[in-house]
This record gives sequence, C-alpha cells and structure tokens, in this order.
Amino acid sequence: SQQGEEDPQALSIQEGENATMNCSYKTSINNLQWYRQNSGRGLVHLILIRSNEREKHSGRLRVTLDTSKKSSSLLITASRAADTASYFCATDVDRNTDKLIFGTGTRLQVFP
Amino acid sequence: ETGVTQSPTHLIKTRGQQVTLRCSSQSGHNTVSWYQQALGQGPQFIFQYYREEENGRGNFPPRFSGLQFPNYSSELNVNALELDDSALYLCASRPQGGRRITEAFFGQGTRLTVV
Repeated sequence: SQQGEEDPQALSIQEGENATMNCSYKTSINNLQWYRQNSGRGLVHLILIRSNEREKHSGRLRVTLDTSKKSSSLLITASRAADTASYFCATDVDRNTDKLIFGTGTRLQVFP
Repeated sequence: ETGVTQSPTHLIKTRGQQVTLRCSSQSGHNTVSWYQQALGQGPQFIFQYYREEENGRGNFPPRFSGLQFPNYSSELNVNALELDDSALYLCASRPQGGRRITEAFFGQGTRLTVV
C-alpha cells in the first residue's frame, strides 16, 4: 500500500513560476527522498532529507520536512519546461532493508 | 544515466504465462530492489536482494520471485501472469556497505503488458 498522499495530484504553471508539491506520510521515517519520473520511465533521485533535518536545498530545489506533522514539501523555483514530469516522495522506514514507500505522485506541467 | 540497465524495455505476455525480467546493477552496488508501478500510481516495493539472498519483501504473492547473481545482476520472475500484473517494473540498486543513508539508482524499467 502507498505510504501516503501527494498534493496536488496535478499542477500546471508557466515557466518562471514556482511549483510547490506536498507529501504526507503515515509512519516514522529514517529519511525522505524525492524522485522525478519522465513519461513513465525510470525514476531519478532529486534530494534526500534525513529525519533530523528540517530543510535542504539543491540548486533550484528546496525541501522541507516536518516530522511532527508527517509531511514534506518540494519547492521548484523558477520552473522550466524541462521540469515537466511526475514527482514522487518516498519514505525510508525500514532499518533492515532498502525498501522505499512511495507516494501517489504529483504530475507537473510547465508551459513555455 | 544511472548505470542500472533493464531488459527488455517492453514485453507482451498472455495471461497464465511466465516472464523473466533482468537488471544489471550499477558497478559497486550489491543491493538490488524491484518495484511494480501500475499506471498512475507510485512504485510499490516487491522485494530486495543483498548478496544473493532475499532480505525484504513487500505484499506480493509467491509467484513473484527473484534471483541475484554473484556479479550482482538480478532477475524478477513472475509465474501464472494475471492481467493486473500489467505494469512498469523498476529495478533499483544502492551502494554496498552497512546500513547507510543513500539514494536508490533506478533503471528505465520494463513495461509489461499482460493480455
């Protein structure tokens, strides 16, 4: 079963605007990761935030984590048409395996 | 490119048949996981192999089985295919080492269609 929900399910913006995606999860985590997927192909890792971190940046990406609310957000600043993809959060919950539990994803469309 | 390769890229099978999907891990990675992604959903963990042994399994029936070879490549086998097995199957590898916090490196996936 999915760990949680991502919100919104779909997002359409213009180039240059910021895109914010939210992820909620259900259980305690070791870390949370965000992945990107183009057109039903493989997943590409974007950023990892540990359970004891609250915010992390990587280029145009900013991720926040609120473990008390069991939620995370991904902000993409100054979006580009090439950012069009599906974005998934994934939680690492099992210390004994590398199992990741993925959310339902947000489909982002950036119009030129 | 993550260095994880999967074959074939697309496959069509008939209900009741068996299928084998293959994955070649990134060099230096000895942990491989398999995921099933139905259309419009997030990937779901099938199982994980570490040093040729299964050491974690998701909520999938026994007709989903796997192997990992000494060179750390891997296979996913599905017996008695059902229509609901139609999905994108993703392989992911992670670097060797103890319990460490790292990202997973995914292959491009195999699109399986069961008719």
